[in-house]
Amino acid sequence: DQQVKQNSPSLSVQEGRISILNCDYTNSMFDYFLWYKKYPAEGPTFLISISSIKDKNEDGRFTVFLNKSAKHLSLHIVPSQPGDSAVYFCAASALTSGSRLTFGEGTQLTVNP
Amino acid sequence: GAGVSQTPSNKVTEKGKYVELRCDPISGHTALYWYRQSLGQGPEFLIYFQGTGAADDSGLPNDRFFAVRPEGSVSTLKIQRTERGDSAVYLCASSLRVAGYNEQFFGPGTRLTVL
Repeated sequence: DQQVKQNSPSLSVQEGRISILNCDYTNSMFDYFLWYKKYPAEGPTFLISISSIKDKNEDGRFTVFLNKSAKHLSLHIVPSQPGDSAVYFCAASALTSGSRLTFGEGTQLTVNP
Repeated sequence: GAGVSQTPSNKVTEKGKYVELRCDPISGHTALYWYRQSLGQGPEFLIYFQGTGAADDSGLPNDRFFAVRPEGSVSTLKIQRTERGDSAVYLCASSLRVAGYNEQFFGPGTRLTVL
């Protein structure tokens, strides 16, 4: 069973516009959520995280929103830049499972100049 | 400082052979994780270590897979009698500790191809 789902395999936006990547989860034990960014032939790189006690976390151009009742989170990137083009993974963790991460399938973001 | 390193970067082997994949975590990181990423999927958890002991190996797909971390630093993932379905990118990550929430730093991965 896929506990973390990213339903959009790809997203294309224009430079300067907002990119919104979405993620849904089913396991109510998840209490910490992360976004990772991955370039080809490299490992995932941590981008931003949010604890379940918050509904928003912001870091520069990146903001993550968490809607616990809907079991949904999203990553907003504004303004988008061509260098943001990568695969973005949503991941979730539960304190009871020792911080192992459960990942979504990923969304390929392409930012066009 | 150095990040997580993994060797080899690529490994091609024949069905039925034995392979070892190595991970060097960031110095001082006590927690070490192995994940497997198949084409078009996100990474899937295999096992994690806190120090030298495997704290959770519930993600290992079967008993052909085994991992060790004898001195609490370098880890080796061992796969016996490889099958074509084992072909994937094997990722290693490390973090300062397991307790609480800690950012996991990933290595570049080892791409395993079983012919």
